[in-house]
Amino acid sequence: DAGVIQSPRHEVTEMGQEVTLRCKPISGHNSLFWYRQTMMRGLELLIYFNNNVPIDDSGMPEDRFSAKMPNASFSTLKIQPSEPRDSAVYFCASTQVTGNGELFFGEGSRLTVL
Amino acid sequence: GENVEQHPSTLSVQEGDSAVIKCTYSDSASNYFPWYKQELGKRPQLIIDIRSNVGEKKDQRIAVTLNKTAKHFSLHITETQPEDSAVYFCAASYRNNDMRFGAGTRLTVKP
Repeated sequence: DAGVIQSPRHEVTEMGQEVTLRCKPISGHNSLFWYRQTMMRGLELLIYFNNNVPIDDSGMPEDRFSAKMPNASFSTLKIQPSEPRDSAVYFCASTQVTGNGELFFGEGSRLTVL
Repeated sequence: GENVEQHPSTLSVQEGDSAVIKCTYSDSASNYFPWYKQELGKRPQLIIDIRSNVGEKKDQRIAVTLNKTAKHFSLHITETQPEDSAVYFCAASYRNNDMRFGAGTRLTVKP
């Protein structure tokens, strides 16, 4: 398996623009997590899905953030409108809920909002 | 939800010395405690984990201890090497759900 695949790897955009980050989990994994990493706040859990259903989105900063998982092999994290404080590395991770618990991370999407 | 605190935020040791990183968690239902290592510019990767039915686990130079009563767990690295330099994150979850991470510890091993 190619592992968790995220795109884009890097994105630079201007304040006010819409940003969409994409994630393909490992085949067979049924739990997917979105994290945001910054120097100040570390790895923050934004939202996670089990079997494509959002379980906990309490970490989503505000209404500008939304996440979807239309099927088992694809998820998106959208920011609209983006702001400079959204600049961070966004990681997607997946696991098998009934497995040993190891989270497999993608390489991350580095977002810069000017 | 679960809250994980991690100390210290930075740690510098001489090569060959030991390093200890400590974490506490808030939710007594948590039963899975992994540790991840993140090298600069890379993704976090699992290095060791422990479940609540075990008090200690060892894998070569790294070991993890868990005190369920006090709700804290620790990572021990012995005979540190320069390649151990990285950011280490502890985490806690219940039934592999809702994985929450500590703020991270930046370990520097000086040759």
